[in-house]
Amino acid sequence: GENVEQHPSTLSVQEGDSAVIKCTYSDSASNYFPWYKQELGKRPQLIIDIRSNVGEKKDQRIAVTLNKTAKHFSLHITETQPEDSAVYFCAASNSGGGADGLTFGKGTHLIIQP
Amino acid sequence: DVKVTQSSRYLVKRTGEKVFLECVQDMDHENMFWYRQDPGLGLRLIYFSYDVKMKEKGDIPEGYSVSREKKERFSLILESASTNQTSMYLCASRVIHQETQYFGPGTRLLVL
Repeated sequence: GENVEQHPSTLSVQEGDSAVIKCTYSDSASNYFPWYKQELGKRPQLIIDIRSNVGEKKDQRIAVTLNKTAKHFSLHITETQPEDSAVYFCAASNSGGGADGLTFGKGTHLIIQP
Repeated sequence: DVKVTQSSRYLVKRTGEKVFLECVQDMDHENMFWYRQDPGLGLRLIYFSYDVKMKEKGDIPEGYSVSREKKERFSLILESASTNQTSMYLCASRVIHQETQYFGPGTRLLVL
C-alpha cells in the first residue's frame, strides 16, 4: 500500500517569514495530493490540493509543488500570519473513481512566532 | 453548505463494551470513510464504504466493523472495546468520482 512520509514534525517560523513542509510518497500510481489544516480542537479542512498532471498550484499565500519523478510534494506558505498556526497534514491517494481513502502523513505542527 | 456530523464529541466506555460511533452527512455523498487520529501517527483509514451496504477494509480494520444501511449514515462499531482503541475518530464523506473529502468534527473516545 501507499506510504507517506512528512517532514518536519514541528516547524517554528517568525511571523512574516515563509514555511515549507515536505512529503514523499511511495506508490507511483497515486495521483491526488491534498493538504489539510487542522486547528486545535477542530476538524481537518482542505486548504489546497494538486493532481498528478500539474506541477504547481497556487492560492494566494499558499502553494503546492509536485515532483512525480522524485515522488515528493511540498506545501509553501508565504508571509505567515498567527492564524496559520495549526497542524498540517499531507495525503496521497489513487483516485481512480472508487472510494479509496487517503493515506496521510503524520502531520507538521506549524508555530508562528510573533 | 457541506455538513458532516458525528453523534458524540466525547465518549467514555469501559473495556469489553460494544461501542457505536455514528456519522451522518446531508450532501447525498456516495463514499464515506472512518479514520482514527493519534498523536504522532496522523490519520489512519479504518474502513470505507462505496455506497449503501458496501464496505471495504482500510489500513487498520482489526477490532472494528462498520454498517451502512442508509446512504447518509455510516456507523463504526467496536465489538469489544479495548484501551488501545482510545483515540480520536473522524468520519469523512465524498462525492463519487471527486477527490475532496469533508470531515466531521470527530469523536474523542476514551476506553477505561
